[in-house]
Formats: sequence, structure tokens, C-alpha cells
Amino acid sequence: QVQLVESGGAMVQPGTSLRLSCAGSGFDFSDHAMHWVRQTPGKGLAWVASISFDGTFRAFDESVKGRFTISRLNGQATVFLQMSDLGAQDTAIYFCARDLKTFSSATLDHWGLGTLVTVSS
Amino acid sequence: QSALTQPPSASGSPGQSVTISCTGTTSDIDYYEYVSWYQRHPGKAPKLMIYEVTKRPSGVPDRFSGSKSGNTASLTVSGLQSEDEGEYYCASYSRTNTVVFGGGTKLTVL
Repeated sequence: QVQLVESGGAMVQPGTSLRLSCAGSGFDFSDHAMHWVRQTPGKGLAWVASISFDGTFRAFDESVKGRFTISRLNGQATVFLQMSDLGAQDTAIYFCARDLKTFSSATLDHWGLGTLVTVSS
Repeated sequence: QSALTQPPSASGSPGQSVTISCTGTTSDIDYYEYVSWYQRHPGKAPKLMIYEVTKRPSGVPDRFSGSKSGNTASLTVSGLQSEDEGEYYCASYSRTNTVVFGGGTKLTVL
């Protein structure tokens, strides 16, 4: 069955960088756009970024634009979120999610369990 | 502040129906047919309940239905059951090529 497993979450200091990974299995990874979504403590879900099936189209929320990048390696069925200049506002559980389509359609049909990022001095 | 507006809470007794609204703008809900709804239970991955406004993924009970009118989408849960309790989020594709979420609605089955 479809599985998404995030990794790379950690406690880091403000201003530092971190890379999250999400490994997919049980489906043809190269047929789907992928997303990162986060949930801050006590708050709701917030979309972070998406990447098209072939990596040619990427989009970011304004709150992370210029600091975060998204990439993918279809041969390894993995999507990455490179985060830099982290601040306390980036503390959250980060979820990886699969889009139903090849380009983002806001239909996130499978999700991982998330990985926790804590930014604190 | 979330881009889409949902009521913070909703409730109903077992067997009743409840409707959760999700209000956006002419740049998202009103513009696209890409509205989706997610159920979230603590410690579990979010689950897709409705996509493309009205479609239900396989395995989701037909007690769940979606609709849209103008810039407002709605999720209706009929015949409420205790396992329907949880948080529900709407999402929409946006003309800025981004995805916007609602702030979430906590559904309580009384």
C-alpha cells in the first residue's frame, strides 16, 4: 500500500539549516506531485511547498519563500525540503503528502505521520 | 491567520447531520473546482475525505458529502457517529499556484 515516511526532524538553533526527507513506496512516485504541510503546536495545518511530478514546477508559501527549497529524486522515490534561516515560527510537525495528480491540485490523498522540527536556542 | 475561514467548532448528536463551512475568495474556492476536506485525529496522519468539491475517495463513507456555492465550500456529515469526532480542514488550490488551508473545525459528537 502507499506509504510516506518522513525523516530529518530535529531540534536546532535559530538561524541554522535543516533538510527533511520523505521516502515514498507502494506507488509510482514519478506520477505524482508532492507537498510539504506543517502543523504548529496548537494550531492548524499550513501548506508549505509543492513540487510537480518531474520537478519542473515548484511553489512555496510566502512565509517560507526564499528560505525553503523543495526537490525530488524520482529514482529514489524521495522528496526533500531544505530549510534555512530557521526561526521559532518554523517549529512544527512537518508532513509529506502525495497529490492525486502530476501537478498540484490541492488533493493530498496520502500523508506521512510527520517529523518534528523544533527551533530553539 | 488562515487563508480560508472555518468555524472553530461544530457539534451534533449521534444520527444527526452537521455542516461545516469554508469561506475563501474569488482567487481560490470560487475560481477552482479543487476543494478538498481532511479529517485529523491526534497522532494520526490527516485523511482525505472529499476532493474536487464533491468526490469521495474509496473507503470514505457516503455519509460524508461536499458542495460549493460561490466562494464558500461545505462539508456535510450525515448520520453522525462517534468516530466522526475530530478536526476537519478544508483546502483549495489558489490562483497564486499555492494551496490554502482553513483554520480547522473541531467536530464534537455529543
